[in-house]
Amino acid sequence: DTGVSQNPRHKITKRGQNVTFRCDPISEHNRLYWYRQTLGQGPEFLTYFQNEAQLEKSRLLSDRFSAERPKGSFSTLEIQRTEQGDSAMYLCASSITLGEADEQYFGPGTRLTVT
Amino acid sequence: AQSVSQHNHHVILSEAASLELGCNYSYGGTVNLFWYVQYPGQHLQLLLKYFSGDPLVKGIKGFEAEFIKSKFSFNLRKPSVQWSDTAEYFCAVNARGSGYSTLTFGKGTMLLVSP
Repeated sequence: DTGVSQNPRHKITKRGQNVTFRCDPISEHNRLYWYRQTLGQGPEFLTYFQNEAQLEKSRLLSDRFSAERPKGSFSTLEIQRTEQGDSAMYLCASSITLGEADEQYFGPGTRLTVT
Repeated sequence: AQSVSQHNHHVILSEAASLELGCNYSYGGTVNLFWYVQYPGQHLQLLLKYFSGDPLVKGIKGFEAEFIKSKFSFNLRKPSVQWSDTAEYFCAVNARGSGYSTLTFGKGTMLLVSP
């Protein structure tokens, strides 16, 4: 399967613990996005990388959240001191630059449950 | 900032009925428009997109959408739905010329097609 992959698919953690998610984009894609989706809502943008540079972060991304894409390939999203409000599906998407527009391909997501 | 409104949160249809899902966006500039679909247990998949040119775009599985600039709308249509079209449908927009392609999604419409 050459699509976007995310690990783990499910994560249950206790409040206050740190969690880290991984995203492997489609190999030739230079852009990588993280979104968060809660029940009854569409995905909401969190942050965006072009190659290894993090170019944009949403105001939704508190100081407890950090994302990296060290070699311009896979990316990690870490949440420190998790809170129950962090429970959501975390989606990763990747794309390749095509001028003014590109198509984002989404992974299956990591479902986080904070107890 | 852009926003997206999807008119119906839930739609129930019988097989062979016609489908139209409404989507309106709010943004003062030029946009790219997308419909994504999420089948039960699967990840988000691109159904169709509009970047420029003919405002009537055709996607996969017999879906089409029409961009009406004056109405800021991008409604999704299918003449005859099938049970396999049961899924959640998301309209999304990004701003052209913004330098990157962050998507803003609507809240989604859950479509249930009864056999």
